[in-house]
Amino acid sequence: EADIYQTPRYLVIGTGKKITLECSQTMGHDKMYWYQQDPGMELHLIHYSYGVNSTEKGDLSSESTVSRIRTEHFPLTLESARPSHTSQYLCASSDQGGEKLFFGSGTQLSVL
Amino acid sequence: GENVEQHPSTLSVQEGDSAVIKCTYSDSASNYFPWYKQELGKRPQLIIDIRSNVGEKKDQRIAVTLNKTAKHFSLHITETQPEDSAVYFCAATTGWGNYQLIWGAGTKLIIKP
Repeated sequence: EADIYQTPRYLVIGTGKKITLECSQTMGHDKMYWYQQDPGMELHLIHYSYGVNSTEKGDLSSESTVSRIRTEHFPLTLESARPSHTSQYLCASSDQGGEKLFFGSGTQLSVL
Repeated sequence: GENVEQHPSTLSVQEGDSAVIKCTYSDSASNYFPWYKQELGKRPQLIIDIRSNVGEKKDQRIAVTLNKTAKHFSLHITETQPEDSAVYFCAATTGWGNYQLIWGAGTKLIIKP
């Protein structure tokens, strides 16, 4: 079934750890996005990609980095996690027009 | 750049009543306006959208209206049910070619039994 898959669903880590949040989609979409969202609050775009080897920073300043080596895979990495990174991270993809977004189930990150 | 304002931030209505959420946008070139619903603990999902060449669109109990002159659009939910309780986000496109969505801050809709 075409979908967007995010792993892990929940992650609790200590300060200073390096982590990678995984996002894969079988939608056949070129465009992918990472959003940061506190529960029920605004959606903040932190990274996006228009295709392989394309990555851009979003509106919200973030200490994370992303890569897009394969069309279906768009991982997000935090080199040194801090308590301020505690949030939900949502991955999304869209078709060529970039209008209709499909979201993954999210990763809830807690940094102690 | 584009800015989208969404009101109210919280809306509480009696089950069976109607609910209306309003958004205003600043970029007159915006031409696509979607609404997403996010239930507690779930992912946001597109529920209805409208393009700038259409004034109104309906899908069962939900409808969206667009006023291009005033640069605002609204989500209307009639005969509200408990399953309508969620956070609703509006958005508007910006940019040329490779569109980006600019999001409203969200409205928490509470349906009272």
